[in-house]
Amino acid sequence: RKEVEQDPGPFNVPEGATVAFNCTYSNSASQSFFWYRQDCRKEPKLLMSVYSSGNEDGRFTAQLNRASQYISLLIRDSKLSDSATYLCVVNNDYKLSFGAGTTVTVRA
Amino acid sequence: NAGVTQTPKFQVLKTGQSMTLQCAQDMNHNSMYWYRQDPGMGLRLIYYSASEGTTDKGEVPNGYNVSRLNKREFSLRLESAAPSQTSVYFCASSERGWGGEQPQHFGDGTRLSIL
Repeated sequence: RKEVEQDPGPFNVPEGATVAFNCTYSNSASQSFFWYRQDCRKEPKLLMSVYSSGNEDGRFTAQLNRASQYISLLIRDSKLSDSATYLCVVNNDYKLSFGAGTTVTVRA
Repeated sequence: NAGVTQTPKFQVLKTGQSMTLQCAQDMNHNSMYWYRQDPGMGLRLIYYSASEGTTDKGEVPNGYNVSRLNKREFSLRLESAAPSQTSVYFCASSERGWGGEQPQHFGDGTRLSIL
């Protein structure tokens, strides 16, 4: 079983829509969690950390459910510029494990 | 702001050839990492260096060696390239350690093809 699993998508949504997707992780002792964004053929960049109480950064909301071992990302009022692959990243014993990514395409 | 610089950006090798991928960061970070990214898979850690003078194996170290030349530079060497090493390679750095609020900053990547 992979340490971090994501629905690969693609999620194809119109501008202004809300899109949400999850990531599951296998290690219940995982310590910290992140969402990274990766544009086509570019390097990953940190989008946001995920806190136990849930957190927002503008149009982006991240949630953590430790009991069910999943992390979610919700994007409100989608923009064309949100089109990217979103990587779920989990910190296990000081090693970062990356999911394969969820692709989001926002259409005009 | 250069951040993390990787060279070369593209390379084609023949099976059995050797080469070194270079990585340098100008953020005075202590920790540096080498990953590979293959289609349908997440980034996988090859080697990392928690601080100058130390290196450790990651998830997929076979076929690779690394050198932490100084605090700025961390190189990855393929001694005898194999087609299975065709991949996109990313170097990353972070201020210290792994988790907490220490994001990793990535270079642009090296696209390596082994024929």
